[in-house]
Amino acid sequence: TQLLEQSPQFLSIQEGENLTVYCNSSSVFSSLQWYRQEPGEGPVLLVTVVTGGEVKKLKRLTFQFGDARKDSSLHITAAQPGDTGLYLCAGGEDSNYQLIWGAGTKLIIKP
Amino acid sequence: DTEVTQTPKHLVMGMTNKKSLKCEQHMGHRAMYWYKQKAKKPPELMFVYSYEKLSINESVPSRFSPECPNSSLLNLHLHALQPEDSALYLCASSHRDSANYGYTFGSGTRLTVV
Repeated sequence: TQLLEQSPQFLSIQEGENLTVYCNSSSVFSSLQWYRQEPGEGPVLLVTVVTGGEVKKLKRLTFQFGDARKDSSLHITAAQPGDTGLYLCAGGEDSNYQLIWGAGTKLIIKP
Repeated sequence: DTEVTQTPKHLVMGMTNKKSLKCEQHMGHRAMYWYKQKAKKPPELMFVYSYEKLSINESVPSRFSPECPNSSLLNLHLHALQPEDSALYLCASSHRDSANYGYTFGSGTRLTVV
């Protein structure tokens, strides 16, 4: 059974600080996706990484896929209150509809 | 149109009621999904439709009945639900027959069973 361990599960920091969220697995994934979800809304896809070692940037967010495609990280620089939300990582496989989900990281950025 | 539209946004139903959740997308996605999400938890897959045919049913109780009338529409029929079925029900779609391309989620239906 494939698992994605996401950490930390909860993070509360001050505006302007940096943070990193991790997703780790013993399994290899074809892709690793990051979603952000606000209360009462559906998850919104932030990024998909598919190549080992790949780094993608989305403004102040930096996403990295591990060389072995078993882990990924999300780094936020100078966090802002608008970054508050539930961040979910999910692993995908070729020719498979199902995503393997991490448990989520509840992020609160205090002004 | 890059959205998945779900209706209703909120639903309160009794345990003897019959109701339906609706989902619509016009992105040409050929895979559509129903997920259930409890508070502070990741989404749990319920059903997958591929090219309008049910391809995955994750051992969901028969009180949940999915339907895909055409490539743009997905329904979830509810009957004789239990209070523990209260949750956020999410519809999603994806471009091809692989989740590698990422899902587009709707805003969800917040269901309360009383």
